[in-house]
Amino acid sequence: SQKIEQNSEALNIQEGKTATLTCNYTNYSPAYLQWYRQDPGRGPVFLLLIRENEKEKRKERLKVTFDTTLKQSLFHITASQPADSATYLCALAGDSNYQLIWGAGTKLIIKP
Amino acid sequence: GAGVSQSPSNKVTEKGKDVELRCDPISGHTALYWYRQRLGQGLEFLIYFQGNSAPDKSGLPSDRFSAERTGESVSTLTIQRTQQEDSAVYLCASSLEGADITDTQYFGPGTRLTVL
Repeated sequence: SQKIEQNSEALNIQEGKTATLTCNYTNYSPAYLQWYRQDPGRGPVFLLLIRENEKEKRKERLKVTFDTTLKQSLFHITASQPADSATYLCALAGDSNYQLIWGAGTKLIIKP
Repeated sequence: GAGVSQSPSNKVTEKGKDVELRCDPISGHTALYWYRQRLGQGLEFLIYFQGNSAPDKSGLPSDRFSAERTGESVSTLTIQRTQQEDSAVYLCASSLEGADITDTQYFGPGTRLTVL
């Protein structure tokens, strides 16, 4: 079955630098991959979706890449700010159109 | 407009008791999802409702878990005879149509369930 791996260790980044988070999957390449942000005590908030035929997607300071050969997606936050501190989750298409398979998330800490 | 709301925000119960969790989706959203999030783990799909179609219950971990939805509004997730391994955050999400995963899911804040 499909498994997703995200770095379980927190990522500490200095304010202003680029933060890069990794999402690796093990089996088939999904048609879509999504990234979400989750703050403590809150539900996930959708950020970006990238399709399998897209190499890169951007939204303001966010950039997502999708490499089906490496079975990996990278999530970048440029000019990072302390307000970007949160847990970032990746999710990808499961067996049905509406089911997502979720990674455990990586906690990002931006230090001023 | 109002987002997805869930109640209660926290629930502490004793092993063996039944609990009921409530979700109010965004008005007009026909699709509703329940997930479970254990500490340090990814979200686990539990159940999916879409309009008047039969719900997809394939993610429910045991027959102690059940869920209902009234039309296209409120949903309740019921856990009977709770066990300690049921302790988790239960998240509800809704989306406009749910026809495919490009339909953005909007999450509530979750209910943190602790079974003693």
